[in-house]
Amino acid sequence: DADVTQTPRNRITKTGKRIMLECSQTKGHDRMYWYRQDPGLGLRLIYYSFDVKDINKGEISDGYSVSRQAQAKFSLSLESAIPNQTALYFCATSDTGGAGYEQYFGPGTRLTVT
Amino acid sequence: AQKVTQAQTEISVVEKEDVTLDCVYETRDTTYYLFWYKQPPSGELVFLIRRNSFDEQNEISGRYSWNFQKSTSSFNFTITASQVVDSAVYFCALTLRGNAGNMLTFGGGTRLMVKP
Repeated sequence: DADVTQTPRNRITKTGKRIMLECSQTKGHDRMYWYRQDPGLGLRLIYYSFDVKDINKGEISDGYSVSRQAQAKFSLSLESAIPNQTALYFCATSDTGGAGYEQYFGPGTRLTVT
Repeated sequence: AQKVTQAQTEISVVEKEDVTLDCVYETRDTTYYLFWYKQPPSGELVFLIRRNSFDEQNEISGRYSWNFQKSTSSFNFTITASQVVDSAVYFCALTLRGNAGNMLTFGGGTRLMVKP
């Protein structure tokens, strides 16, 4: 079984709808991240969490919110989806210990907002 | 702020050719970590290598090799005798030691197409 899972894997939604992307991990890591990938821009950080009570904004947090329901679960919400949020979204985890630790990525969620 | 640049957006080679993917980074910090990830057509991100800023030794892993040069702020990736299975998007990324969040800054990626 995959260590980092994301649901759904694909989603098409309409402008203005609320949508939640979910991430679960079995690696026992404290740190979790949400990134979005756009062509030519690489991955950009949306939010990150050190633990259940510690959530931080990343580079592009506007229009998104997150919830860390448990150490193993980190959800990303789009309160009112817009077409330019069409992208590939990745969840990642990392062990505690500072920079230099590898991040483990989920399989990605392809979101299309029409 | 740090920045990672992958100037080659797409590279096309014929199988068995050698190919080098360039990565140039910018940071004022002296302690940092560099990474390469592979994203095959299936979409997942696969970790390839991590290098810290104090270790400038080149590394070889099978057909893959990495050349880290602090003098030119580059961390280039070479695939020797490329194969069709190497076709993917490759990302270079950077994180700083003082970055408590361990946040990665990614380059824009290089799409490698290996033709049979």
